[in-house]
Formats: sequence, structure tokens, C-alpha cells
Amino acid sequence: GEDVEQSLFLSVREGDSSVINCTYTDSSSTYLYWYKQEPGAGLQLLTYIFSNMDMKQDQRLTVLLNKKDKHLSLRIADTQTGDSAIYFCAENDKGKLIFGQGTELSVKP
Amino acid sequence: ETGVTQSPTHLIKTRGQQVTLRCSSQSGHNTVSWYQQALGQGPQFIFQYYREEENGRGNFPPRFSGLQFPNYSSELNVNALELDDSALYLCASSGQGGKRDTQYFGPGTRLTVL
Repeated sequence: GEDVEQSLFLSVREGDSSVINCTYTDSSSTYLYWYKQEPGAGLQLLTYIFSNMDMKQDQRLTVLLNKKDKHLSLRIADTQTGDSAIYFCAENDKGKLIFGQGTELSVKP
Repeated sequence: ETGVTQSPTHLIKTRGQQVTLRCSSQSGHNTVSWYQQALGQGPQFIFQYYREEENGRGNFPPRFSGLQFPNYSSELNVNALELDDSALYLCASSGQGGKRDTQYFGPGTRLTVL
């Protein structure tokens, strides 16, 4: 069945790079997404990647996709305290999004 | 451009009651999807509406039902509330009903069932 997995916690120092990893199972997914959720809030779309791409860069964000291993990662350069949040990866299964459990990113000053 | 809005923000109900949650889609979007997010979990897909018709459903019982209106706003109704229905309910809108459309989320409705 469909499953998306992420590590639960990541702690970094301000100014370092953060790398959040995700694995998925549905090889037919055409789009994969990264969303950010701050406490008590909804989901904010950060970026997405089409399955025929290996990499996408958007300012401080870099998404890498290894389709063979079904592995997706999000790198945040120069991480700031305002980046502290929960990050969800999601795959698009025919219009429904399947989410991982979320990675809580803690940025220490 | 107006984003996705949801009402109410918070709601407290007792077991057995019924609840209606509302969502207004982003301007220009005609598809609405609903998700349930339990505490500490990722969102789970409930169902999707496209042009007023249900367009896919997740693994939720029939007491979860929905509607979409001609202006593409939507309601989620839950009957016979159970304690496990306590969660953040998220609505997302997307553009054209295509299976690959990017979904944009509202702020959610926090439902507490006592």
C-alpha cells in the first residue's frame, strides 16, 4: 500500500544547513511536495517537484529526488530560527495527497 | 487573490452530536479536498469534491459526508461524533480538478469532542 516515511526530529544550529529526508512507495506518483506547518496553523506549500526531475532549487530550498530509491530530500540553506516548524513530504496519488508523519525541525540560536 | 478560508477556527462538541465545518476555496479554484490531522500525525485524506461531485474518498466511514456549492465553497459534515474525531480538519483547494493539481491549504478547524 501507499506509505510515506520521515524521521521525526531534526535539530540544527542557526546558520547551518538542514536536510530533511523522506521515502515513499508509490512509483506512479507524478508530483511530490514539501509543506511546512507552524504550531496551530495549516499547511504552507514550500515547493514541489515533478517526478521526471532530479533536483529543484528555489532560493534557500533545494529538493533532491532519487526515483530509483523512492527517496526525496529537502535542504534548507542558512537555516534560521523562523524555519522551526514541522515539515511534511507528500506524494500525489491520483489527486489525493499522502503525507508522512512530519519532521519537527528545531533551530537553536 | 483570496486564499483558502475555513470556519469556525475552533469547535467543542460532545460525543454523539453532529458538526458542520466550512471552507471557501481560493479564487479561481474549483476543487476542494478535506483532510483530518490527528495530534502528532500527518493529514489523512477524507474526500475531494470537483464541480459539486465527490471525486475520490479515503478510508473514512459514511458518517463523514460533504457538499460542494456552485461557488466551489464546501462543507464537511460529521454525524454521531466520537472521541477519536477530535482533530484538526484541513481544507485544500486546487485549480482544475486534475489529478496532478497542487493543493493549497486553509488554516484548519480544530474540533474537540468531549
